[in-house]
Amino acid sequence: AQSVTQLDSHVSVSEGTPVLLRCNYSSSYSPSLFWYVQHPNKGLQLLLKYTSAATLVKGINGFEAEFKKSETSFHLTKPSAHMSDAAEYFCVVLSNTGNQFYFGTGTSLTVIP
Amino acid sequence: GAVVSQHPSWVICKSGTSVKIECRSLDFQATTMFWYRQFPKQSLMLMATSNEGSKATYEQGVEKDKFLINHASLTLSTLTVTSAHPEDSSFYICSARDNRVGNQPQHFGDGTRLSIL
Repeated sequence: AQSVTQLDSHVSVSEGTPVLLRCNYSSSYSPSLFWYVQHPNKGLQLLLKYTSAATLVKGINGFEAEFKKSETSFHLTKPSAHMSDAAEYFCVVLSNTGNQFYFGTGTSLTVIP
Repeated sequence: GAVVSQHPSWVICKSGTSVKIECRSLDFQATTMFWYRQFPKQSLMLMATSNEGSKATYEQGVEKDKFLINHASLTLSTLTVTSAHPEDSSFYICSARDNRVGNQPQHFGDGTRLSIL
């Protein structure tokens, strides 16, 4: 079975400092992984996706994530946090059938001015 | 990028009313649409998956007769909350994807906040 674990339910960073949001996955095959961001009272916006091409994936708004098979991780990073990055972030894995997505429990990012 | 439009964004209605929420894919064909429910500060809970032209597949614990899903075309799915009661108040989010292309992400609507008085 596939699953993802987001290790931190809440992360606080100061504006201008790096962001690290952690995600570990469990899968018996080579997974497709996604990061989404959700601002208050909004739907989810795709930040980036990994589909077995380059292990370092660049997304929108300066975010990137690195797929590490040895660590079963897909952590999301950004070099310098902006106030507008404050939101909920979800790590998601696609099932091996290709038709079902499994969501992490989310990480709430707070950016301190 | 791919756009999914969800309407209405917010609805308030009396208990016992039926409410219809629409989910449209604007620039791609959505062979599969998903309906989620989200409680405050929680992750998304999948309610049902619908494939165009087929009956929806509901997750365990979701009442089929309560949450009616129709996916009659490749660009439109609707969720009808029948005889809504206060406990149905929640944030409902739809998403859509084209299953014919491998490893495609879901594209989400902006959600519908449903408040039942």
